[in-house]
Amino acid sequence: DAEITQSPRHKITETGRQVTLACHQTWNHNNMFWYRQDLGHGLRLIHYSYGVQDTNKGEVSDGYSVSRSNTEDLPLTLESAASSQTSVYFCASSAAGQVTDTQYFGPGTRLTVL
Amino acid sequence: QKEVEQDPGPLSVPEGAIVSLNCTYSNSAFQYFMWYRQYSRKGPELLMYTYSSGNKEDGRFTAQVDKSSKYISLFIRDSQPSDSATYLCALTNNAGNMLTFGGGTRLMVKP
Repeated sequence: DAEITQSPRHKITETGRQVTLACHQTWNHNNMFWYRQDLGHGLRLIHYSYGVQDTNKGEVSDGYSVSRSNTEDLPLTLESAASSQTSVYFCASSAAGQVTDTQYFGPGTRLTVL
Repeated sequence: QKEVEQDPGPLSVPEGAIVSLNCTYSNSAFQYFMWYRQYSRKGPELLMYTYSSGNKEDGRFTAQVDKSSKYISLFIRDSQPSDSATYLCALTNNAGNMLTFGGGTRLMVKP
């Protein structure tokens, strides 16, 4: 069955370190998204991609970067982790074309920055 | 002011009750209105969506949109303990599948 996976599921790191969160989907979806979820803020869009070599900034992109070298993967990198980036991170993917194409979410990565 | 407001709850109801979950929004460009359900420590999953104003029913769930009031609702009939989750509204215009989420309402259905 097609799926979307994230790794690691839990990560503890220190302020200033570079961290990369992996996202892999097997639906062959063109669209991929990264969100962070914090109490009181819901899901906020960090970066998104509509296809290979395409990346775009979302609402809260400062301190984060992504790259899309193939259809299946969209890794999220925190260049220099800050305590404010402690959060739960969700990756999602959807087929291209229809605005109502369902976004399928991964199980999330819980990141703690000490 | 946030674009989409949602009461965080928690909302606690007895099994069998009718549940009403709501969101208000400020951007009149939103055309599609979705409800996601998120179980604890899981990713959100799409429950249902509606386009523009009106009602849509799917089993025990009814989504209602009032664009004139910028108000959307999700009703759950005959609520079950398995409905205990956080419910997030998500809104979009036609711009590339970009969703704006509410903060989510945590629902607890007690047996």
